[in-house]
Amino acid sequence: GAVVSQHPSWVICKSGTSVKIECRSLDFQATTMFWYRQFPKQSLMLMATSNEGSKATYEQGVEKDKFLINHASLTLSTLTVTSAHPEDSSFYICSANGGRTDSPLHFGNGTRLTVT
Amino acid sequence: RKEVEQDPGPFNVPEGATVAFNCTYSNSASQSFFWYRQDCRKEPKLLMSVYSSGNEDGRFTAQLNRASQYISLLIRDSKLSDSATYLCVVLLYTDKLIFGTGTRLQVFP
Repeated sequence: GAVVSQHPSWVICKSGTSVKIECRSLDFQATTMFWYRQFPKQSLMLMATSNEGSKATYEQGVEKDKFLINHASLTLSTLTVTSAHPEDSSFYICSANGGRTDSPLHFGNGTRLTVT
Repeated sequence: RKEVEQDPGPFNVPEGATVAFNCTYSNSASQSFFWYRQDCRKEPKLLMSVYSSGNEDGRFTAQLNRASQYISLLIRDSKLSDSATYLCVVLLYTDKLIFGTGTRLQVFP
C-alpha cells in the first residue's frame, strides 16, 4: 500500500536554530501534502497544506515565516521550523492522500521535536 | 465548542470486555467519517471508515447518525493490544480533516 516516509523521527535542537523535516511519498505522487502538529494530550491540528509547485496554504494562527514549507516535487515536502523556541517542541506529522477512497490520508511516522 | 468532541477517558476495561466510544461533530459540511488508532508517540493509523448503514470489521463496529451528528465505535472482546487512543476524524467537503482529541483505552489482564 501507499507509504509516507518522514525524517527525522526525533530531533533535539537549541533555541534559535532551524530544523528541517522531510516528508516523502514512496510509491505514489502527492500533489498535496498536509502538515499537522500535536501537543501532549491534544488532538492533531492542521498547520498547513503543502501544494506541489505553489505556495503552501497556512491555517489561521500559523506563522508562515516561521514554518517554511517547500513542496518542490511530487514526492517530497519539507517543513522548516525557523528560529525554534521551546514552545515549538511538539510532535509534527505529515500526511498525503494515497489515492484510495477508503482512507483519506496516509501519515508519516512523525517527528518529535524538542527545543532546549 | 470543539468541532469534534470525544470523551477523553481513560476507559480502563478488563480483557474480553465490550467498550463503546462516542463522538459528536458540529460542522454540517462534514463529508466522511473515520476512526483512527494512535499508539503513544506514534502516528495515527486508520482503523475503519464509518458509514450511515453501519459497518463491522471483526470485533469492531462503527455507526454514524447524520441527523444527530453522532459517531460511535464498539469494540467487542477487548484484547490487551487494543490499548491505545482512538481518534474520531471528520473530513469536510473542503478536504480538511478535523481530529477529535481522542479517547484513551487501557485494557488490563
